[in-house]
Amino acid sequence: GAVVSQHPSWVICKSGTSVKIECRSLDFQATTMFWYRQFPKQSLMLMATSNEGSKATYEQGVEKDKFLINHASLTLSTLTVTSAHPEDSSFYICSAPGVRVDTEAFFGQGTRLTVV
Amino acid sequence: GNSVTQMEGPVTLSEEAFLTINCTYTATGYPSLFWYVQYPGEGLQLLLKATKADDKGSNKGFEATYRKETTSFHLEKGSVQVSDSAVYFCALKREYGNKLVFGAGTILRVKS
Repeated sequence: GAVVSQHPSWVICKSGTSVKIECRSLDFQATTMFWYRQFPKQSLMLMATSNEGSKATYEQGVEKDKFLINHASLTLSTLTVTSAHPEDSSFYICSAPGVRVDTEAFFGQGTRLTVV
Repeated sequence: GNSVTQMEGPVTLSEEAFLTINCTYTATGYPSLFWYVQYPGEGLQLLLKATKADDKGSNKGFEATYRKETTSFHLEKGSVQVSDSAVYFCALKREYGNKLVFGAGTILRVKS
């Protein structure tokens, strides 16, 4: 199946700094990527949809200026958490959707962000 | 709207026990249904899927049947192993669009 590679798998940063998370589709082109946030013992919350060559679409309640999403090419989407605070600590997962209704999505390995 | 409801966990079983994790959905049209598994500290992996009514998805001993009459997609396994301990997510994909709608997830713990 298709492979989505997410990097880094974990990161610790200081409050006030910014962190970039990369999501690459290794063997296919992804015009769309979904970014999710997952709190401990909870389900995935869709944050935004990145679209190659255009602005990302954010879900209601997600701060666009806090979570910057860029989809620079057909194989790379990035999420930058700006001016991170401890409450931004979470598990972030990217996903490339299957293009048809009967095809599954492919997920990155996830990034554990800890802001201290 | 579209939604997925899963049984609450955690579910704790002994090795070789029978597993059922209930999943029901609400959706218009004809969605596809999926079960994903998440091991600690990792992303989600597709476990199985079914794309139309009465389809049975199966993988690694797990099975689920798409029941349109009861809007259900329950996950079953006849004999669980310790290595099956993970979080299981039921999800649907609407007939139009490519977003997944996830259930809350069910933690499974299997004791030896």
